[in-house]
Amino acid sequence: NAGVMQNPRHLVRRRGQEARLRCSPMKGHSHVYWYRQLPEEGLKFMVYLQKENIIDESGMPKERFSAEFPKEGPSILRIQQVVRGDSAAYFCASSPGQGKAGELFFGEGSRLTVL
Amino acid sequence: GQNIDQPTEMTATEGAIVQINCTYQTSGFNGLFWYQQHAGEAPTFLSYNVLDGLEEKGRFSSFLSRSKGYSYLLLKELQMKDSASYLCAVSYYGGSQGNLIFGKGTKLSVKP
Repeated sequence: NAGVMQNPRHLVRRRGQEARLRCSPMKGHSHVYWYRQLPEEGLKFMVYLQKENIIDESGMPKERFSAEFPKEGPSILRIQQVVRGDSAAYFCASSPGQGKAGELFFGEGSRLTVL
Repeated sequence: GQNIDQPTEMTATEGAIVQINCTYQTSGFNGLFWYQQHAGEAPTFLSYNVLDGLEEKGRFSSFLSRSKGYSYLLLKELQMKDSASYLCAVSYYGGSQGNLIFGKGTKLSVKP
């Protein structure tokens, strides 16, 4: 039973390029969450998605960041025109529809480095 | 506002007991979670408290006092593999499911 799968694990981009991070939730899970972890900082909530719907994007920066979870395929976090401050670890988590609120199953993260 | 405080680092000896504290100031508190995160790996769920008291799960226990805005994670019979960061997180009314506020984590080093 595969866990939450994220790819790529490591991504290097130059300033101004685009970064696309993918997340396949755990089998049977229909809720996906993206978190960002800056160096020496705690995990920060970005967005919560269900299939084809954005439920809560209160943590998403207003510009350059977008997320989707299509009917088929993985969830994607897209960062356009990356800047050095976007360098961070991006974690995806999933959960089943019902269960302990907040019991999240995390992937191993995608580490973005912007040169 | 929402704020969570926990010590940055702790050191303990193999076989000993260690208590990691977490204090929070959160509007509309709705539950507290502890996660373990080994360096470079995914955070993994350890415990959940919503009512006051102690929840025990094997070598790990978690305590909550809602009136004091305080929790601790107790690790007994420490093993080297317990060296990791321990993340305190809270959920709150007004936040969607899975929208947790995390502390910066406590890095625990277990020494022989």
